[in-house]
Amino acid sequence: KAGVTQTPRYLIKTRGQQVTLSCSPISGHRSVSWYQQTPGQGLQFLFEYFSETQRNKGNFPGRFSGRQFSNSRSEMNVSTLELGDSALYLCASSLMAGAGNEQFFGPGTRLTVL
Amino acid sequence: DAKTTQPPSMDCAEGRAANLPCNHSTISGNEYVYWYRQIHSQGPQYIIHGLKNNETNEMASLIITEDRKSSTLILPHATLRDTAVYYCIVRSTGNQFYFGTGTSLTVIP
Repeated sequence: KAGVTQTPRYLIKTRGQQVTLSCSPISGHRSVSWYQQTPGQGLQFLFEYFSETQRNKGNFPGRFSGRQFSNSRSEMNVSTLELGDSALYLCASSLMAGAGNEQFFGPGTRLTVL
Repeated sequence: DAKTTQPPSMDCAEGRAANLPCNHSTISGNEYVYWYRQIHSQGPQYIIHGLKNNETNEMASLIITEDRKSSTLILPHATLRDTAVYYCIVRSTGNQFYFGTGTSLTVIP
């Protein structure tokens, strides 16, 4: 069974631009979560989608948004990029929502903002 | 979700068991204990999880104390490829994980 895939793997943008990252969950998984990882802040939760609905949202500004499609694929968008948005963005999928369902992480998209 | 406390770093000799402790003294009854590891900025890799009982799978064993305030991840025969940052996470009804700073495990040849 294929794992979680994320595209692109690497991205370089300049301040003020916007970016869209894509995540394809494991086949059959309906929940997708997004995380940001930086050396200073570690891994931080962005948001979670289940059946095309955002269920939870972390403490990030409105420039960070996401959506999920009917096939469970998800995208996240960051508008008006800032230098501090440079990070590894990780997507994780799980079969269902709920605390007993393990999340499987993708390899991440490394975003560099210049 | 409850906060977890882990030692920042540990060493383990290759071939020996690695025992990674985690304190979660504020855990509540419906919160699971999860362990993940991350190798050199790759995506975190799921290891094991449990609620009350001890758990074992092909990768590791999870020992949870009776009062559930602490747990230990055991890698029975550590190899060099087990060198990674190990995260202990306590997770309740929401699907989001709150990662702490983890334990950097170094397996020494």
